[in-house]
Amino acid sequence: KQEVTQIPAALSVPEGENLVLNCSFTDSAIYNLQWFRQDPGKGLTSLLLIQSSQREQTSGRLNASLDKSSGRSTLYIAASQPGDSATYLCAVRPDGSSNTGKLIFGQGTTLQVKP
Amino acid sequence: NAGVMQNPRHLVRRRGQEARLRCSPMKGHSHVYWYRQLPEEGLKFMVYLQKENIIDESGMPKERFSAEFPKEGPSILRIQQVVRGDSAAYFCASSPSGTGGNTIYFGEGSWLTVV
Repeated sequence: KQEVTQIPAALSVPEGENLVLNCSFTDSAIYNLQWFRQDPGKGLTSLLLIQSSQREQTSGRLNASLDKSSGRSTLYIAASQPGDSATYLCAVRPDGSSNTGKLIFGQGTTLQVKP
Repeated sequence: NAGVMQNPRHLVRRRGQEARLRCSPMKGHSHVYWYRQLPEEGLKFMVYLQKENIIDESGMPKERFSAEFPKEGPSILRIQQVVRGDSAAYFCASSPSGTGGNTIYFGEGSWLTVV
């Protein structure tokens, strides 16, 4: 059974710091991995999608890496800003569910960036 | 291009009543997914639908919950005889197709409170 774990559960950093959020999954048979952002009381915004054949994806100050064999992904946020404060969710789409769209989510990392 | 639209955003029901949550996918998307986020828990997959078909309902509780995506109109998640444990945020998501590496786009969620 696929399980997704995110560490740390919460993180508080001063503005301007570079930071790394971690995601691990127990079954390396994944189709892709997606990072989301969730603001309080809001829906999920997709940040980055990494296919199983890819090693990383970049968008602006965000960089996500994927090491499928070791069951790990990281989300790197450069030069953090107060507006980055949110909960970041990692989700894997297991192999074999590519045609069902089922995602398995981690519990999230709640980030606070202090001005 | 409007995003995934969910309504109502907030719904209060007394125990034993019915709750109906509606979801209109993004334009051009024919695949809809429902997820539930219980307090202090991560998002859990409930059901995946295409027009007039339930493709995967492995995450749906066996009783009281049903989902449909008719040929015309929004997808509906229906919860009969609600109990306090049904209080949660219900998120709808959509994608252009279920296959391939498509990003899944989420709505803003419907927050159900059972009193």
